Amino acid sequence: EAGVVQSPRYKIIEKKQPVAFWCNPISGHNTLYWYRQNLGQGPELLIRYENEEAVDDSQLPKDRFSAERLKGVDSTLKIQPAELGDSAVYLCASKPGGSTNEKLFFGSGTQLSVL
Amino acid sequence: DAKTTQPPSMDCAEGRAANLPCNHSTISGNEYVYWYRQIHSQGPQYIIHGLKNNETNEMASLIITEDRKSSTLILPHATLRDTAVYYCIVSGTGTASKLTFGTGTRLQVTL
Repeated sequence: EAGVVQSPRYKIIEKKQPVAFWCNPISGHNTLYWYRQNLGQGPELLIRYENEEAVDDSQLPKDRFSAERLKGVDSTLKIQPAELGDSAVYLCASKPGGSTNEKLFFGSGTQLSVL
Repeated sequence: DAKTTQPPSMDCAEGRAANLPCNHSTISGNEYVYWYRQIHSQGPQYIIHGLKNNETNEMASLIITEDRKSSTLILPHATLRDTAVYYCIVSGTGTASKLTFGTGTRLQVTL
């Protein structure tokens, strides 16, 4: 069974440029998460989806970040414009819909460097 | 969700048991203890979770004290591939629950 797939694996951009990350969760997993992980820190939740609905986006910086999950499967996280402080690893995770525990399956992440 | 306290780093000899402690003195009655680990350049990996009884699976054992204010993750025979950052997280259940990661314990397994 394929795990959570993220692309690209690495991305280098200049500040003020836009960037997008893509995530394909495990088949059948209705709940999808985006996390950001700064160097030396644990992951921080940005947004959680139940199917195509964003049910928790309280930590998403909405002035420059946006996310979508149009058909309740794949998801895209976008930053526009990127700032130097956005350099981090962006992780996607998923779990089965209706699950009452917090056993999440994570992808390998996209490492973003903003120059 | 309750906050957890873990030592920043630990060492363990290969083949020995690795015992990783976690304090969660403010845990509430309906909150679970979760353990994840993150190997370098990978996403976090679920290990185990429990409410109040000790739990064991193919990866590890979780020992939770009777007052539930602390727990220990045990890797019975550590290998070099167990070198990682281990996160102890306390979380409830239901739609409002979420995992809040701290900085974890960096476990170094050596020959």
